[in-house]
Amino acid sequence: EAQVTQNPRYLITVTGKKLTVTCSQNMNHEYMSWYRQDPGLGLRQIYYSMNVEVTDKGDVPEGYKVSRKEKRNFPLILESPSPNQTSLYFCASRVQGLASYEQYFGPGTRLTVT
Amino acid sequence: AQSVTQLDSQVPVFEEAPVELRCNYSSSVSVYLFWYVQYPNQGLQLLLKYLSGSTLVKGINGFEAEFNKSQTSFHLRKPSVHISDTAEYFCAVQADRGSTLGRLYFGRGTQLTVWP
Repeated sequence: EAQVTQNPRYLITVTGKKLTVTCSQNMNHEYMSWYRQDPGLGLRQIYYSMNVEVTDKGDVPEGYKVSRKEKRNFPLILESPSPNQTSLYFCASRVQGLASYEQYFGPGTRLTVT
Repeated sequence: AQSVTQLDSQVPVFEEAPVELRCNYSSSVSVYLFWYVQYPNQGLQLLLKYLSGSTLVKGINGFEAEFNKSQTSFHLRKPSVHISDTAEYFCAVQADRGSTLGRLYFGRGTQLTVWP
């Protein structure tokens, strides 16, 4: 089954404790991205990657890091989480090239930073 | 860059009534338009998309949307809603060229609540 998976689905952590949220897709998509969803703000893009070793900032990259060492994986790293990073996070992927290809979303990771 | 405005943050309706969720966008280049739905505690699912051609687009679950280039709008409609349509709906835009090619910009969402 074609899908985007994220782990963990739920995470409660404390300020400053480094964490990684994993994202993996099995559709051989070149393009992957991370979004955060906050009430009343919709989804905002954090980082995106157009292929292996190619990443770029989205609209809200502060406090986050990403890496793309393999085509299928695109982990999101919070090196020193803060309470304002409490949010619902989505990973997405699509075929690179034509903008018309839809993005496929993972199930989301709900992060709480205390 | 592109931007999306969803004009209503909450839309309450009764079951079997028609509904329209409004979406306007801004862009200096041509765009592709999408509506996504998010059911409670779930991820995002594509409802429908406009790429080109007919301005009336039909999607899943009986939804449709009309692209109006002159008004830069892409309103979502359903003639008769069910309680199961209760969800949050997101309009999104994607440029077809330029430096933001491939990036999706979302509106803030509209919570549709269907009452019995």
